[in-house]
Amino acid sequence: GEDVEQSLFLSVREGDSSVINCTYTDSSSTYLYWYKQEPGAGLQLLTYIFSNMDMKQDQRLTVLLNKKDKHLSLRIADTQTGDSAIYFCAERTGGYQKVTFGTGTKLQVIP
Amino acid sequence: GAVVSQHPSRVICKSGTSVKIECRSLDFQATTMFWYRQFPKQSLMLMATSNEGSKATYEQGVEKDKFLINHASLTLSTLTVTSAHPEDSSFYICSARVRGDRAGANVLTFGAGSRLTVL
Repeated sequence: GEDVEQSLFLSVREGDSSVINCTYTDSSSTYLYWYKQEPGAGLQLLTYIFSNMDMKQDQRLTVLLNKKDKHLSLRIADTQTGDSAIYFCAERTGGYQKVTFGTGTKLQVIP
Repeated sequence: GAVVSQHPSRVICKSGTSVKIECRSLDFQATTMFWYRQFPKQSLMLMATSNEGSKATYEQGVEKDKFLINHASLTLSTLTVTSAHPEDSSFYICSARVRGDRAGANVLTFGAGSRLTVL
């Protein structure tokens, strides 16, 4: 079955880069997503990558996908205090109903 | 962009009562909506898929008689927690599928969530 894992916590200093990692087990993933959840709020889509891509960049965000190792990462350049949140990676396998979320990584940005 | 509105954001109720949570797609039609439950420090668990005009599809282990889902229109899905108990206290989040910028890249847009506390 699908299993998506993330480290639970990451702390970085303001201005540094943050790298949040995610591993998944299902090789049939079609799309992989990164969502951000601020306290008490729903999830906000940050970016997504198609499984045949290695990298996608969107302003301060860079997504790297290593399909061989089933490893996905999100790099946030010049991390700001407003980036403090929980970040979820998610994989979609087959139909859109089958979206499996990771456990989330809480990013703490130290001023 | 596509917006999903969820209401109420917080609700406190007594044990044994029922609570209804609404999920609306504001500027698009959502034939399918999804209801998730999130436990503290845990990921999202898909509870059910809500289909407009038909019965919801529940995930294994989710009591359909306890979590009633109604999707009566293309812009509204409701989740009713019936005879709520303290163990039903949780954060419930709805989502709807919207088109991504690439064919097939359907993404989920989420509501802000509803924090249910059952006393």
